[in-house]
Amino acid sequence: DTEVTQTPKHLVMGMTNKKSLKCEQHMGHRAMYWYKQKAKKPPELMFVYSYEKLSINESVPSRFSPECPNSSLLNLHLHALQPEDSALYLCASSQGLQGNTEAFFGQGTRLTVV
Amino acid sequence: AQSVTQLGSHVSVSEGALVLLRCNYSSSVPPYLFWYVQYPNQGLQLLLKYTSAATLVKGINGFEAEFKKSETSFHLTKPSAHMSDAAEYFCAVSGLKGAQKLVFGQGTRLTINP
Repeated sequence: DTEVTQTPKHLVMGMTNKKSLKCEQHMGHRAMYWYKQKAKKPPELMFVYSYEKLSINESVPSRFSPECPNSSLLNLHLHALQPEDSALYLCASSQGLQGNTEAFFGQGTRLTVV
Repeated sequence: AQSVTQLGSHVSVSEGALVLLRCNYSSSVPPYLFWYVQYPNQGLQLLLKYTSAATLVKGINGFEAEFKKSETSFHLTKPSAHMSDAAEYFCAVSGLKGAQKLVFGQGTRLTINP
């Protein structure tokens, strides 16, 4: 199994809603990531979890709250988002943090904030 | 610090023609280099990676790339384009910190003309 699975595939939410994005991998990877990708732009790193601990937060607003319940799961809790937060949210994982390890990406969640 | 520059935001070739997507990198340490492909409304899929084992790297779907240190380049090629190759292609570089410091280029949109 070389997949990173993200749910839901599409999400529309109001600015007062609370929702969560989910990500799962069963490759035994110990590092997991959240990226945000706006249209026609490359992915931008948001958070990195290493061995279930948050190791990098790229100055992401607190309305985005990551959670890593175990080594296979990664969640992104959303609250009070703005329309400009509409984007494709990508989850990724890697075997470790060494330079030669590649990141495996999920299919993404297309988020629209109305 | 690492960075990549992809020359040409849009490349258009005829079906059956050579595909050449250009990527130049800058890195203060020996780089690890990656090419990812993104089909519309999909996540990123790894095409190939360079990790210093061999300068000519073969990837999936008939793509290959050659690492040229003297030119700081890692261009992606495919001898004969297929309609299914139409997608966005991202070159990325990481250093010693691996995927947690994966830096993407701006992307090149490849269009295949029948």
